Amino acid sequence: NAGVTQTPKFQVLKTGQSMTLQCAQDMNHNSMYWYRQDPGMGLRLIYYSASEGTTDKGEVPNGYNVSRLNKREFSLRLESAAPSQTSVYFCASSEVRGLTDNQPQHFGDGTRLSIL
Amino acid sequence: GENVEQHPSTLSVQEGDSAVIKCTYSDSASNYFPWYKQELGKRPQLIIDIRSNVGEKKDQRIAVTLNKTAKHFSLHITETQPEDSAVYFCAASNGGYSTLTFGKGTMLLVSP
Repeated sequence: NAGVTQTPKFQVLKTGQSMTLQCAQDMNHNSMYWYRQDPGMGLRLIYYSASEGTTDKGEVPNGYNVSRLNKREFSLRLESAAPSQTSVYFCASSEVRGLTDNQPQHFGDGTRLSIL
Repeated sequence: GENVEQHPSTLSVQEGDSAVIKCTYSDSASNYFPWYKQELGKRPQLIIDIRSNVGEKKDQRIAVTLNKTAKHFSLHITETQPEDSAVYFCAASNGGYSTLTFGKGTMLLVSP
């Protein structure tokens, strides 16, 4: 039982390049989330998927796109990377049963992304 | 949207002392308040959470208190140990599919 798995763990890109960060969970959770973590800023929500087939913007969605491929997988894409997107990216999942339900989120190990 | 303020940003204590981290939130509809611990280079890990229908929750050396009227909640760690050294994040959810708004974190350093 691996929990939440993110790939790659590290990546260096040049400005303008594109890439996709992968996330998979094996806990049969229905909700998944992408955050970025910058020094002194805490974790900020980029996008989330409440359930398979749905995605919604979080606090900082500009410059990103997401795909909920199936119940297990939720990917984050940078179409044209910018130095401001240098950050640590965390994927998380939780078992949420409804609009007002709240359940703990479980995080992956993160992807450390540098954009030159 | 929700805004979560966390204080202090850094906290240094001696081993065996107690540590208290405080958070305030802005959205009176928020009803779920988790705390995460993040060691250097690691993932955030849930250490305790509280829901709005409860005023206090304890788990061994860790406790969380919630004051809904004042819109603040606190993490209390007693008998601190060096392995408690980490960054601690509070968060709040206003009920929308568990989307969380995080505080900016508190770096706790416990000296032997």
